Amino acid sequence: EIVLTQSPGTLSLSPGERATLSCRASQSVTSSYLAWYQQKPGQAPRLLIYGASNRATGIPDRFSGSGSGTDFTLTISRLEPEDFAVYYCQQYGSSPPYTFGPGTKVDIK
Amino acid sequence: DVQLVESGGGLVQPGGSLRLSCAASGFTFGNYWMNWFRQAPGKGLEWVANIKQDASEKHSVDSVKGRFTLSRDNAKNSLYLQMNSLRAEDTAVYYCARGETYSRYWGQGTLVIVSS
Repeated sequence: EIVLTQSPGTLSLSPGERATLSCRASQSVTSSYLAWYQQKPGQAPRLLIYGASNRATGIPDRFSGSGSGTDFTLTISRLEPEDFAVYYCQQYGSSPPYTFGPGTKVDIK
Repeated sequence: DVQLVESGGGLVQPGGSLRLSCAASGFTFGNYWMNWFRQAPGKGLEWVANIKQDASEKHSVDSVKGRFTLSRDNAKNSLYLQMNSLRAEDTAVYYCARGETYSRYWGQGTLVIVSS
C-alpha cells in the first residue's frame, strides 16, 4: 500500500498570496496517477486535479498540479477567499487501495 | 446534472448491520464504475470500495473485507453498501462517488455512527 504524506499540515496565508502544497508518496506513483481535492466544512470533496497536472472541468487556472514519481505539488497562484479549505492528495496508480494523504489546511493568516 | 444521493445511515450498535444506498441520476449509471469513500469525524478521507459497471469486479480496503458487501442495480440506477459486523472505527460519513479510482462527482454523504 502506498502511503502519502502531505506538508505542511497547516498553511497560514493571506488572500492574494501563493500557496504551495506538497504530497510525497512512500513509493513511486504509477503514471503520475495522483489527484488533488479541496474540501470545505460540511461539504463533499471537490476534484481539482487528476493525473498530477490536469485540471478538472470548471477549476480555475490559478490551481495547478505538478510532479512525478514520489513528489507532487499543488500550487494556488493567488489565493481567493473561497480557497481557504483542506486539500487532500490521492494516489490511484497502483492496485487498490487508492490511498489519501492526511490533508493540508490552508487558513487565513 | 449528475446527482448522487446517499441514504441509510444512522446509529447502530457495535456488531450490527446497516445497508447504505446511493441513488444516481443525470448520467447512464450502468456505464460507470462506482466508489464508496468515507470520512471519520474530524479526520481525512478514505477510499472504501469500488464496483465495476456489471459488478464483475469489486475491490475494497482490507479493513472492511469480509464485512462490507457492494452491489448495484443498474435498472434502478442504485448502488448499495451492505455493512455487517460494524465496529466503532466504522463511524464516518460515507460518500458514494462516480468513477473507478478518483472521482469528480460525489454525493453529500450519509452519517453512520457505531456506538452502544
